[in-house]
Amino acid sequence: DIVMTQSPDSLAVSLGERATINCKSSQSVLYSSNNMNFLAWYQQKPGQPPKLLIYWASTRESGVPDRFTGSGSGRDFTLTISSLQAEDVAVYYCQQYYSSPITFGQGTRLDIK
Amino acid sequence: EVQVVESGGGLVQPGGSLRLSCAASGLTFTGDWMNWVRQPPGKGLEWVASIKQDGSEKHYVDSVKGRFTISRDNAENSVYLQMNSLRVEDTAVYYCARGKSHINGWIHAYWGQGTLVTVSS
Repeated sequence: DIVMTQSPDSLAVSLGERATINCKSSQSVLYSSNNMNFLAWYQQKPGQPPKLLIYWASTRESGVPDRFTGSGSGRDFTLTISSLQAEDVAVYYCQQYYSSPITFGQGTRLDIK
Repeated sequence: EVQVVESGGGLVQPGGSLRLSCAASGLTFTGDWMNWVRQPPGKGLEWVASIKQDGSEKHYVDSVKGRFTISRDNAENSVYLQMNSLRVEDTAVYYCARGKSHINGWIHAYWGQGTLVTVSS
């Protein structure tokens, strides 16, 4: 199984500042035949289901603000929120869909400082 | 508008059974993988099971293999999760999620609001 490890477990960032969340997989999720990383990011606000933000490691889902950026390749990935807004308070999860079983990171809680 | 609606959760004793249903609308149902993901109270997300568009391929997390069965009825635009031999550790909100059409079925693009399953004596 591919283990997904996020860091940090929680962070607090001031409004308007940059937030960075890391995700590391226990093995590469880069599919060599198409050079795509099978990595997605989700946002879950309190009392709500998760929402897809990013897939293929860096493709923003339709309607997601451009302050959300995904980057990385192979085993190391990053979700960056360029200018934190109050509505970005949530738990963020990375997910690999390279192989079964599909696995999620443990989540990173993001709060306002 | 794409909609996903789960039902069937509730309180069940250890060793009991429960069948969850998920109704999907707004996109061609037969074009999508369907997935179940669960979230124990106050904890993170755990993928449970996935089923291919025609039902020919199914995948499960190890902890539910032999106990849970995913199925779908494309005529009813529905997917199901039959849960047998339930354990206390199966207690969670169960989400149904549609795959991202024409991209990858294991990208969970659309989620329902979830249904709570509580396993307790």
